[in-house]
Amino acid sequence: GPKVLQIPSHQIIDMGQMVTLNCDPVSNHLYFYWYKQILGQQMEFLVNFYNGKVMEKSKLFKDQFSVERPDGSYFTLKIQPTALEDSAVYFCASSLKGQEVFFGKGTRLTVV
Amino acid sequence: SQLAEENPWALSVHEGESVTVNCSYKTSITALQWYRQKSGEGPAQLILIRSNEREKRNGRLRATLDTSSQSSSLSITATRCEDTAVYFCATAPGAGNKLTFGIGTRVLVRP
Repeated sequence: GPKVLQIPSHQIIDMGQMVTLNCDPVSNHLYFYWYKQILGQQMEFLVNFYNGKVMEKSKLFKDQFSVERPDGSYFTLKIQPTALEDSAVYFCASSLKGQEVFFGKGTRLTVV
Repeated sequence: SQLAEENPWALSVHEGESVTVNCSYKTSITALQWYRQKSGEGPAQLILIRSNEREKRNGRLRATLDTSSQSSSLSITATRCEDTAVYFCATAPGAGNKLTFGIGTRVLVRP
């Protein structure tokens, strides 16, 4: 089936540094999402993106977070600066019509 | 809020048995989705059931939806060890909107 690719699968970064998480969504999809999951806990919505713009963002989407899809291919989540509490698995997802949503395997971010 | 909650928190069955996971949600929905998340992977959509549907099947999976009681169930028949995963229901107020997941039901299928 359609695949969402996330690169890298694991990233370790020093607190205060900037990190960019990359997502290669399904090629013809129009809706894009980022979710955060702390180990063993539920998936929590961060932000969704459509037509080049943020549709909605949650309280977890702090001012240090930003998203963009600059070249129409990768959908990125940037955190600058990172904090210890940003350690989690970040899942990217995409959808064509906003109903059947496909998730990537996640990027495990460890802030030390 | 569009909160979705699954119950029970965890289930354990033997291979070949059936298992049912329940979900309750608040407010009106256009559709409810069931996802499965295996260890180390992202969620995978299993079934999307629309508000005008009462039942939907996908192979060994069967989802029901009762909009009057705002509840849904997902049943898996003839379970296999590879069905071991966390099962989530998720709702969204409309297409493209954020999906709100419950905490999930952990299903363990033992040989």
